[in-house]
Amino acid sequence: GAVVSQHPSWVICKSGTSVKIECRSLDFQATTMFWYRQFPKQSLMLMATSNEGSKATYEQGVEKDKFLINHASLTLSTLTVTSAHPEDSSFYICSAYPLDRVMNTEAFFGQGTRLTVV
Amino acid sequence: KQEVTQIPAALSVPEGENLVLNCSFTDSAIYNLQWFRQDPGKGLTSLLLIQSSQREQTSGRLNASLDKSSGRSTLYIAASQPGDSATYLCAVDNQGGKLIFGQGTELSVKP
Repeated sequence: GAVVSQHPSWVICKSGTSVKIECRSLDFQATTMFWYRQFPKQSLMLMATSNEGSKATYEQGVEKDKFLINHASLTLSTLTVTSAHPEDSSFYICSAYPLDRVMNTEAFFGQGTRLTVV
Repeated sequence: KQEVTQIPAALSVPEGENLVLNCSFTDSAIYNLQWFRQDPGKGLTSLLLIQSSQREQTSGRLNASLDKSSGRSTLYIAASQPGDSATYLCAVDNQGGKLIFGQGTELSVKP
């Protein structure tokens, strides 16, 4: 099956610093990737849709200036949490579909990144 | 707005039991419904995908059904094993790849 690699798997940073998370599709190309966030004991919530070569689209309530998304190639999307604060501590996970997917194929998820802001 | 609900929130069963996890959704205009497994602190493993035109899918000891008109899906796990212990998430896709997740059912299978 298709593989999505996310890096790092965990990161601890100081409040006020920025953290970059990478999401790579290893064996397929993807024009669209999705970023989700999961707080403890809660479900995954979609944050934004990453579009190759164009701006990301953000879900309601997600600050686009705080969560910068770049999708510069067909195999890489990055999420940068800028000026991170403790309330940004969460589990961030990306998903992607192959470029040539037909409707109704499964989503492939990265391993997720556990961000802790201290 | 699509909402996905899973019951029960947690379930503990002895090894060997057959069990059913439930998922309901409010908007029946879906492309598909997917069931995932999530181990603590880990990412998601896709278990089954049911297209909107399908009624069920099977993989090994897992069987998932879909009743789109009533907004319900069930995941049936036969002959449960301790290794099945995890959180099970259902998610619906009704907008081109964006998934709406339920809160999950935390399953514990006791030896």
